[in-house]
Amino acid sequence: EAAVTQSPRNKVAVTGGKVTLSCNQTNNHNNMYWYRQDTGHGLRLIHYSYGAGSTEKGDIPDGYKASRPSQENFSLILELATPSQTSVYFCASGDAGDNQDTQYFGPGTRLLVL
Amino acid sequence: QQKVQQSPESLIVPEGGMASLNCTSSDRNVDYFWWYRQHSGKSPKMLMSIFSNGEKEEGRFTVHLNKASLHTSLHIRDSQPSDSALYLCAASMGGSGGNYKPTFGKGTSLVVHP
Repeated sequence: EAAVTQSPRNKVAVTGGKVTLSCNQTNNHNNMYWYRQDTGHGLRLIHYSYGAGSTEKGDIPDGYKASRPSQENFSLILELATPSQTSVYFCASGDAGDNQDTQYFGPGTRLLVL
Repeated sequence: QQKVQQSPESLIVPEGGMASLNCTSSDRNVDYFWWYRQHSGKSPKMLMSIFSNGEKEEGRFTVHLNKASLHTSLHIRDSQPSDSALYLCAASMGGSGGNYKPTFGKGTSLVVHP
C-alpha cells in the first residue's frame, strides 16, 4: 500500500503567521494533492501537482501556496494564516495508472489558527 | 466545476442489515467513480472503484454504476458496527488528457448499531 506521511500532525499557529505543512510519499507516484476537510464541506481540493516542479490550483486555492521540489515531497504554505484556515489537511498521492488516479491519503494534519 | 451529490447525509442501520448509499455527478464528462471509507479520526481509504456500467462485488460490498445517469450506489449487506464511518464518493474525468483531479462529495455518515 502507498505510504504517505505528513508533518506536523498537529499545529497551533497565530493569525498572520506563516505555516508550512509537509507531505512525503515513497511510492514514486507522479500526482500529489492537498485537501482540507471541514464538517459540512467534505474534502475540498486546494492545490495539486502532476510532477516535480509543477503545481496547479484546485477548487479553493486562495490563501494557500504549494511547492513540489521533488517527486517525493509536496508542501502547502499559508503565508498569512487566518482563523478560517483552521481545519484538517490531508495530502494524497496517486499514480494515474490506466488514466485514472486512485488517491492514497496521509494521516492528516490538524491546524488551529488562533 | 463539477459537483458530486451524495445521499442520504446520514444513515442508521441495525447490525446485519443492508445499507444503501447514493452518489451522482453533475458533469457528463466524468468517467471514473470511487468510494472511500473514513473512520472517525482517520484518513480516507479507497474502498471500491468502478469505471464501467454495471455491478462490481467484493465480499459484503456491491457497487453499481449507471453512466447514462452519472449515478453510482454502494450497498453493504450484513452491516457490522465496524462499518460505521463516513463514506465519500469521488468522480473524475481522467483520461489521456491528464485531467485526473477528483471531486469529492460531502459524504454519507453511516452508523451501524448492535
